[in-house]
Amino acid sequence: AQSVTQLGSHVSVSEGALVLLRCNYSSSVPPYLFWYVQYPNQGLQLLLKYTSAATLVKGINGFEAEFKKSETSFHLTKPSAHMSDAAEYFCAVSDRGYGGNKLVFGAGTILRVKS
Amino acid sequence: EADIYQTPRYLVIGTGKKITLECSQTMGHDKMYWYQQDPGMELHLIHYSYGVNSTEKGDLSSESTVSRIRTEHFPLTLESARPSHTSQYLCASSPTANTGELFFGEGSRLTVL
Repeated sequence: AQSVTQLGSHVSVSEGALVLLRCNYSSSVPPYLFWYVQYPNQGLQLLLKYTSAATLVKGINGFEAEFKKSETSFHLTKPSAHMSDAAEYFCAVSDRGYGGNKLVFGAGTILRVKS
Repeated sequence: EADIYQTPRYLVIGTGKKITLECSQTMGHDKMYWYQQDPGMELHLIHYSYGVNSTEKGDLSSESTVSRIRTEHFPLTLESARPSHTSQYLCASSPTANTGELFFGEGSRLTVL
């Protein structure tokens, strides 16, 4: 069975500082990997996805993530945090061979950006 | 701009009442999903559908039921609400091609007293 572990339920950074949100996955087959963002009182929005092309994936709003198979990780980074980045971030994994889009999500990491 | 809509956004209801959470999408997606979200917990898949007249239970057992009579519509029903059903319910859809991407509605927050 697939699973996702997000390290740190809360992360706090200063505006302009590096953002690093950690995600480790478990999958018996090559996975699709995703990061979604949820702003208060809104649904989830796709930030970026890895589907076996380049291991460094760039997404919206300056975020990027690197797929590291040896570490089973897919950490999300942004060089310089902005106040508008404050939100909850979810890492998710999908079995690419499944035929459907059933995603397994992590518990989420709430990002706080301090001025 | 959201093309998937959930109503109601917020609902407070008494124990024993029947409720239906509505979900509609205008993207023509074949696949639709219901996830349950509680604070600090993973989103759990409770129902999914790969097309009209197709519904399946997800990974998390739920007392709710769903129907898929039209492509664009995927309502979730609780016949008799209980306090344990208090949660946020997120509806999502995805296209036929297995891109893995889900498109989410804004959620329905249910409180059962």
